[in-house]
Amino acid sequence: EVQLVQSGAEVKKPGESLKISCKGSGYRFTSYWIGWVRQMPGKGLEWMGIIYPGDSDRSVYSLSFQGQVTMSADKSTSTAYLQWRSLKASDTAIYYCARRSSSSESHAFDIWGQGTTVTVSS
Amino acid sequence: DIQMTQSPSILSASVGDRVTITCRASQSISSWLAWYQQKPGKAPMYLIYKASGLESGVPSRFSGSGSGTEFTLTISSLQPDDFATYYCQQYHSYPYTFGQGTKLDIK
Repeated sequence: EVQLVQSGAEVKKPGESLKISCKGSGYRFTSYWIGWVRQMPGKGLEWMGIIYPGDSDRSVYSLSFQGQVTMSADKSTSTAYLQWRSLKASDTAIYYCARRSSSSESHAFDIWGQGTTVTVSS
Repeated sequence: DIQMTQSPSILSASVGDRVTITCRASQSISSWLAWYQQKPGKAPMYLIYKASGLESGVPSRFSGSGSGTEFTLTISSLQPDDFATYYCQQYHSYPYTFGQGTKLDIK
C-alpha cells in the first residue's frame, strides 16, 4: 500500500525549534516530489513548498513560507522533514505532507499523510 | 502568485440534488487544475486532475470541466458521504495555490 505516515502531534512554546517528519512507503520514495500544506484552525489549505527526495537540492518554496521553514529529505529512510528554527503562535496549524503525482497530466497531490498538528502556545 | 477563487463559499443542498462549485483563476492555467474533497478531521482526498480527469476509484457522479480561467466541479446526485469541503488547486505554476474552499452542507 502506498502511504505517507507523519509524526505525532507537537505542543511547543514560542521560540522553540521543531522538526516534523513524513515517511513514505509502498513506492519509490526518491522518484516523487513531496509537498507540504498548512491548514490553520478552521481555515483552508495553503501550499508551502515542495522537495524532490531524489535530489534534495531541488526544492521550491512559496514566498509566503520562504525563510520561515526548511524542507529536507533523507533518502536512506524515505522520510521528508519540515522544520522551524523559532516557532511563533501563528505557526499553530495542521501540516500535511503529500506526494505529487508523477503523471504527465497531473502535478496534483495524489497521496496525503494524515497530518501533524502543531500547537505553539506559551 | 495565481489566485484561485471558489464560489460559493458555503452551499446547502439535499441528498439527490445536483450541485456545481465554481473555481476561477486570476490568469489562464490551461487545464492544470485539480479538485480535492476534505472531511472534518481528515486529510484531503484527490478527486479530479487536469480539470476533468476522474481519479481512479472516485465515483462517476463527480465530474469536472473548464479551461483557461473558469472551472466547475459537479456532483450529479448528492450522496450523504459527499457533504464535505471541496478545494480546487492550480498546478500551472509555482506556488500551486488552492482556492479558499467550498463547504457543502446538508440543507
